[in-house]
Amino acid sequence: RKEVEQDPGPFNVPEGATVAFNCTYSNSASQSFFWYRQDCRKEPKLLMSVYSSGNEDGRFTAQLNRASQYISLLIRDSKLSDSATYLCVVIGSNDYKLSFGAGTTVTVRA
Amino acid sequence: GAVVSQHPSWVICKSGTSVKIECRSLDFQATTMFWYRQFPKQSLMLMATSNEGSKATYEQGVEKDKFLINHASLTLSTLTVTSAHPEDSSFYICSAYLLAKNIQYFGAGTRLSVL
Repeated sequence: RKEVEQDPGPFNVPEGATVAFNCTYSNSASQSFFWYRQDCRKEPKLLMSVYSSGNEDGRFTAQLNRASQYISLLIRDSKLSDSATYLCVVIGSNDYKLSFGAGTTVTVRA
Repeated sequence: GAVVSQHPSWVICKSGTSVKIECRSLDFQATTMFWYRQFPKQSLMLMATSNEGSKATYEQGVEKDKFLINHASLTLSTLTVTSAHPEDSSFYICSAYLLAKNIQYFGAGTRLSVL
């Protein structure tokens, strides 16, 4: 079983729509969780950290469910510029190593 | 602006040659840097952890003699792909870990094409 699993999508949504997707992780001792965004042929860029109580950053909302070992990302009022691959990233308890999911592709159409 | 600089961004080389990729942290000192590889439509896979002043720690399945890592200073780590072959063609990305913020900052990546 992979450490971090994501639905690859693609999620094709119209502008203004809400889109949400999850990521599951296998290591119950994982301590830190992040969502990164990766545009085609570019490096990943940190979108937001995910906190235990859930957190919001503008149109983006992240949730953590430790019991079920998944995190989620919700994008409200989608913009064309939100089109990208969203990478779920998990850090274990003993080191700084990042474990990446394969990414969820979101395409926002006009 | 970029906090991690990675060069070159794109390399095309002949099979059998060696390629060196540099990763620099610009605004902070990084005792730990990481090297990843990403094949098309796949996730980033950690290759090795680069520790300043000591030997790198390689992930299982990564040949340390083929992928030479040097972290000679707190702001520079290099990855040398020795005797590159077409199957080494990939997107190589480095990151530098900023302990104070518990964040890894990524370089822009190096696209390697071996002919």
